[in-house]
Amino acid sequence: DGGITQSPKYLFRKEGQNVTLSCEQNLNHDAMYWYRQDPGQGLRLIYYSQIVNDFQKGDIAEGYSVSREKKESFPLTVTSAQKNPTAFYLCASSIPGTGSPYGYTFGSGTRLTVV
Amino acid sequence: AQSVTQPDIHITVSEGASLELRCNYSYGATPYLFWYVQSPGQGLQLLLKYFSGDTLVQGIKGFEAEFKRSQSSFNLRKPSVHWSDAAEYFCAVAHTGNQFYFGTGTSLTVIP
Repeated sequence: DGGITQSPKYLFRKEGQNVTLSCEQNLNHDAMYWYRQDPGQGLRLIYYSQIVNDFQKGDIAEGYSVSREKKESFPLTVTSAQKNPTAFYLCASSIPGTGSPYGYTFGSGTRLTVV
Repeated sequence: AQSVTQPDIHITVSEGASLELRCNYSYGATPYLFWYVQSPGQGLQLLLKYFSGDTLVQGIKGFEAEFKRSQSSFNLRKPSVHWSDAAEYFCAVAHTGNQFYFGTGTSLTVIP
């Protein structure tokens, strides 16, 4: 079955450490997205990519970086510059791209905690 | 700019009672409209969507939503709530070439 796989499900980061969250999809979707979810704040867009080797900053990109070397993969790195990284991170994909009338397909999320 | 408002942060209903979750949007043209559900610690699952045609749309799990252009609303309804419906519900809007905009969510508690 097609879908989006996020790993790991739980991740712990020490202060000053970079960590990378994995997102892989086998839906053949062109566009992929990273959202951050905090209690009471809904979903906030971190980065998105509409095609391979291209990505755009979302509303809260500071302290994060991404790459899109393959259509199937869109990893998110949470850098040490992100001062408050503890949150639930969701990856999504869509066709044909932003504003898709078909909606987004979401992964099951990664919960990142700073220890 | 588009925005989505879900005025109810938290709703509690009794099992078997009817449910209506409110969603209002601001956008010049008719957008694409969606409702998603999120169980604790999980991703979001699409319940239903509207982009044209009949303004009453049916979704999964017995949910439906009605698009009312005059009120800029897309409220989610269910005639009889089950305990398994307890979750967080998100309304979202989009238009071709624009981002998705999510509401801040409504948390649903179902009491026996």
